Amino acid sequence: DAMVIQNPRYQVTQFGKPVTLSCSQTLNHNVMYWYQQKSSQAPKLLFHYYDKDFNNEADTPDNFQSRRPNTSFCFLDIRSPGLGDAAMYLCATSREFGRYNEQFFGPGTRLTVL
Amino acid sequence: GNSVTQMEGPVTLSEEAFLTINCTYTATGYPSLFWYVQYPGEGLQLLLKATKADDKGSNKGFEATYRKETTSFHLEKGSVQVSDSAVYFCALSVPSEAGTALIFGKGTTLSVSS
Repeated sequence: DAMVIQNPRYQVTQFGKPVTLSCSQTLNHNVMYWYQQKSSQAPKLLFHYYDKDFNNEADTPDNFQSRRPNTSFCFLDIRSPGLGDAAMYLCATSREFGRYNEQFFGPGTRLTVL
Repeated sequence: GNSVTQMEGPVTLSEEAFLTINCTYTATGYPSLFWYVQYPGEGLQLLLKATKADDKGSNKGFEATYRKETTSFHLEKGSVQVSDSAVYFCALSVPSEAGTALIFGKGTTLSVSS
């Protein structure tokens, strides 16, 4: 089945220690998104790629960066995680932009910062 | 700006009860509207969607009608099951120069008991 895969499902890191979260897709979609979801809150968009074009949301901290080396893979890098960065990180894809385009979500990576 | 307001949870129902989760929105353009469901420990799954006024989205016994005059997209189900226990997110999608983001409500937790 075509899908969005996130690894690992659970990640524990130490305060200030860089961490990378991974997302891959078999849908061959042009757009990939990263959302942050804190406990009992709505997902919040961090950034997205249309193909290799990167768009950062205005309020995404500089501590968060992303890479998309090819169509299938996208990475979220947190350079110096703080306690406030503990959250579920959701990757999503859509075929195109546009109000008709459904976003498909992965299962998420739950990040714990010690 | 664009925003989504959902009724506060948790909503606690007995099996076979009728469910309504209210959702209203504000949007600067002509949005598409979505309901996503998140089961414990999992990512978001699209439940249903509607892309224009008076459209009714339906899936797995859930329904919601796009009401432009009241800017609402209330989720309903005639007879809930224990397996419907999850968090439900109302969301809208409006294209912008930077792309198309999903704007989520805060989510409503549904708990169904047998």
